[in-house]
Amino acid sequence: NAGVTQTPKFRILKIGQSMTLQCAQDMNHNYMYWYRQDPGMGLKLIYYSVGAGITDKGEVPNGYNVSRSTTEDFPLRLELAAPSQTSVYFCASSQRGARQPQHFGDGTRLSIL
Amino acid sequence: AQTVTQSQPEMSVQEAETVTLSCTYDTSESNYYLFWYKQPPSRQMILVIRQEAYKQQNATENRFSVNFQKAAKSFSLKISDSQLGDTAMYFCAFMKHDRGGADGLTFGKGTHLIIQP
Repeated sequence: NAGVTQTPKFRILKIGQSMTLQCAQDMNHNYMYWYRQDPGMGLKLIYYSVGAGITDKGEVPNGYNVSRSTTEDFPLRLELAAPSQTSVYFCASSQRGARQPQHFGDGTRLSIL
Repeated sequence: AQTVTQSQPEMSVQEAETVTLSCTYDTSESNYYLFWYKQPPSRQMILVIRQEAYKQQNATENRFSVNFQKAAKSFSLKISDSQLGDTAMYFCAFMKHDRGGADGLTFGKGTHLIIQP
């Protein structure tokens, strides 16, 4: 199984550009999440989804948008890239239930210059 | 809202020694789950161990065990017989029970553990 696949692995953007970070999972998980990890910090939740067509904001949603048209895919959109969005972005998925472990992708390192 | 605090930014021990990583949390929830995740230089996030707050018995997974003190809101990780491959960032994380985990994990800032040969 591929698990959670994130693309791209690395990207450099200029201020004001937009891009979409892709995330796909093949485990038929209902729940999917986007986190960001700033240097020396833990992960912070950006957006989450409990199923296709349902998304909600996490702790740090400003500057981002998401959609969930299928169970498998959960893309994260940056509309107007800012230096403060330089970070490593992780996508994760899990089965329904708080005790279920989250499965993480390998992350996307994004630099805004 | 929940907060998770890891007060040790970095720790270093010799191979084969035992090391304990500290974690405290603050919450008004009565039912929740606590996790330790490992992040090696490869950047992967790997689940190490999980503890249900309603269980008094401390979780163990091979060389990894926790000391869960619910009243003190403390959740430390003990690694026995440490190995070079244990070198990584370790994150303590919290999840509320209600909403079935939909709200995601709250992470601490992490502890960088270095195992010296």
